[in-house]
Formats: sequence, structure tokens, C-alpha cells
Amino acid sequence: EIVLTQSPGTLSLSPGERATLSCRASQNVRFTYLAWYQQKPGQPPRLLIYGASTRATGIPDRFSGSGSGTDFTLTISRLQPEDFAVYYCQQYSDSQYTFGQGTKVEIK
Amino acid sequence: QVQLVQSGVEVKKPGASVKVSCKASGYNFASYGFSWVRQAPGEGLEWLGWISAYMGNTNYAQNFQDRLILTTDTSTTTAYMELKSLRSDDTAVYYCARFGTGYSDYWGQGTLVTVSS
Repeated sequence: EIVLTQSPGTLSLSPGERATLSCRASQNVRFTYLAWYQQKPGQPPRLLIYGASTRATGIPDRFSGSGSGTDFTLTISRLQPEDFAVYYCQQYSDSQYTFGQGTKVEIK
Repeated sequence: QVQLVQSGVEVKKPGASVKVSCKASGYNFASYGFSWVRQAPGEGLEWLGWISAYMGNTNYAQNFQDRLILTTDTSTTTAYMELKSLRSDDTAVYYCARFGTGYSDYWGQGTLVTVSS
């Protein structure tokens, strides 16, 4: 089973700043099968990025994904008030899904 | 528009079973699968398994292979998740999600399952 490790656990930033979230896999992940989700309290996760770098429908272009192999990054170019949330990476391989433990982006 | 509407809150005793439904609408039901994910209070996301809507092929996370059953009903465009032999640590919000090529793009609202004696 591929284990995903996200860092940092918590990111304290101000609106307008840039956020860089990391997701590291224990084995190579096919880029097609790496996704990022945003979750706010009391809500289901929301798909942001799939295929490592493709924005899902309706996702603003301040969200971008990059990376390959075992290292992936989610970047939020200029944080908006609605972006403070928890972010999860997820991979799918050998018919198994795994999630990272999440990164909380909080207001500094 | 794509919608996934889940059944309501469940309260169960240890050892019992729970069955959660997920009614899909707004798309071709047979063209996608469903993944099921849970989230214990204050914790992260945990994948349980997935099922192809039309053929009914399933794949379960190793931790749930002996007590999880996923099914679909194409006539009512509904997916079901049944978890048996419930324990207190199964207390969580359970989500269904439409499963595409390696990701889940639409999610249900979640169903709280509480296991308590």
C-alpha cells in the first residue's frame, strides 16, 4: 500500500500570501492518479485537482498542482478568506485508494 | 446537475450492522463507480472501497474486506454501503462519492453513524 505523507501539518498564513503544500508518496504514483481535495468543517471534501495538475470544474486558477513520481505540490497563489481549510492529497493505484493525513491552512 | 443524496443519521449498538444509501441523479449512472470514504470525529479521510455501478465489480480496503459490502441498484440509481460487526471506533461520517478515473468528483452530504451501547 502506498503511504502519502503531507507536510506541514498546519500552515499559518495571511490572506493574500502564497501557500505551498507538499505530498510525498512511499512509492511512485502515476501522475494520472494523484488528486487534491479541500474540506471545510461540516462539509464533504471538494475535488480541486486531478491528474496531479488538472483543475476540476469551477476551481479558480489560483489553485495549481504539480509534481511527479513521489513528490507532489499544491500551490494556492494568493490566499482568499474562503481558502482556509484542510487539504488532502489522494492516490489511486492497484485498485487501492489512500489519502494523506491532511494539511490545515489557518489564518495567521 | 450531479447530485448524491445519502440516507440519514444512524445510531447502532456494537455488533450490529448499518446500511447507508446514496441516491444518484443528474448523470449516466452506469458510466461511473462509487467510492466510499469515512471520517471519524476530528480525524482525516479513510477510504473504505469502491464499486463499479453497472458491473458491480468491487474493491475493498484491506482493513474492511471481511465486514464491508458495497452494492448498487441500477433500477433506482442508488448505491449502498453495509458495514457489519460494528465497533465503537466505526463511529464516523460516511461519504459516498462518484468515482471517475482515479478520483472522486462529486460527493454526498455524508451520513453520521454512531456506534454506542
